[in-house]
Amino acid sequence: GENVEQHPSTLSVQEGDSAVIKCTYSDSASNYFPWYKQELGKRPQLIIDIRSNVGEKKDQRIAVTLNKTAKHFSLHITETQPEDSAVYFCAASDRNYGQNFVFGPGTRLSVLP
Amino acid sequence: DVKVTQSSRYLVKRTGEKVFLECVQDMDHENMFWYRQDPGLGLRLIYFSYDVKMKEKGDIPEGYSVSREKKERFSLILESASTNQTSMYLCASSLGTGPRRKLFFGSGTQLSVL
Repeated sequence: GENVEQHPSTLSVQEGDSAVIKCTYSDSASNYFPWYKQELGKRPQLIIDIRSNVGEKKDQRIAVTLNKTAKHFSLHITETQPEDSAVYFCAASDRNYGQNFVFGPGTRLSVLP
Repeated sequence: DVKVTQSSRYLVKRTGEKVFLECVQDMDHENMFWYRQDPGLGLRLIYFSYDVKMKEKGDIPEGYSVSREKKERFSLILESASTNQTSMYLCASSLGTGPRRKLFFGSGTQLSVL
């Protein structure tokens, strides 16, 4: 089945700097890649997603890139702010059940003032 | 806005007890999921359901069962709780496939098995 790896496990950046989180997946049949953000004590929430027919997607300070050939995708956050501090999870869709996902282990991002 | 409600925020049980975790969603979603969240392991799928009375095993179903008698309710059952089932349990729902597969999560149940 699908396996998703995520790096780094922890990331600290200065406020205003950029942050990049990278994920790799194993199943070339995966066609949808969401990113979820979980603030401390709160539920995960979708922040951005990308489909396999698109190479890049942006939403204000957040962007996601996808390289299907290499089977990796990345989350880019520019001009980081303290409220970006959270755990970020990448995920890849399951080949048998498109509504299912395999999640990466998460990256704890700390934005330092 | 979609609301996914889990019945308990914190739960403490003893080894061997039968445990029920309840989840209710109010937006007529077809799909419902149970995940457990452990530090460094991300979100791991226990069971999911894509229709009433339908259930499918996820990646870690051992020691768990589920019930979906009504579309809005999805229950996770620990038949005989063990200490290694101490974890945060997250319920989620989604409308369908394709563009409608955004997951909406509940606030979680922190289960401690002593």
